[in-house]
Amino acid sequence: EAQVTQNPRYLITVTGKKLTVTCSQNMNHEYMSWYRQDPGLGLRQIYYSMNVEVTDKGDVPEGYKVSRKEKRNFPLILESPSPNQTSLYFCASSTSRRGELFFGEGSRLTVL
Amino acid sequence: GESVGLHLPTLSVQEGDNSIINCAYSNSASDYFIWYKQESGKGPQFIIDIRSNMDKRQGQRVTVLLNKTVKHLSLQIAATQPGDSAVYFCAESIQAGTALIFGKGTTLSVSS
Repeated sequence: EAQVTQNPRYLITVTGKKLTVTCSQNMNHEYMSWYRQDPGLGLRQIYYSMNVEVTDKGDVPEGYKVSRKEKRNFPLILESPSPNQTSLYFCASSTSRRGELFFGEGSRLTVL
Repeated sequence: GESVGLHLPTLSVQEGDNSIINCAYSNSASDYFIWYKQESGKGPQFIIDIRSNMDKRQGQRVTVLLNKTVKHLSLQIAATQPGDSAVYFCAESIQAGTALIFGKGTTLSVSS
């Protein structure tokens, strides 16, 4: 089954404690992306990757890092989380940057 | 500037009615549009897309209409069912290689 898998689905953490949200896709997609979804603000792109070792900033990259060492994986790293990063995060993949995006189920992060 | 908006944040319909969800976009250079459906607790799912060289595209129970003159996009759902209850997003793309820009979403509630 074609899917994008994110982990963890839910996480409560404290300010400053580094965390990583993993994302894996099994569709051999070149393009992967991270979004955050906040009430009233919709989906905003954090980072994206056009291919292995090729990443770039989206609209709201501050406080986040990503890496793309393998085609299937695109982890999102919060080096020092802050409460304003409390949000619902989605990983997505596609054959191209503006093609049909396949989304994961989401990771709800709370930073205390 | 670039923005994708929706006319109404919520829409309530009766089961069996036809639903129309509207979306206004601001950039006349946008040439590709997608509608996504997001059910509670899940990631957005692709419904249908349309390119700017088309005015209408039909899928299974859904139709997307594009009016480039007034920069308006709509999603019509025929014979709406309770399973159609979700948040619906439109997204636009200005040119190949650029990311999709998402609107804030319309919540569709279907009562039986």
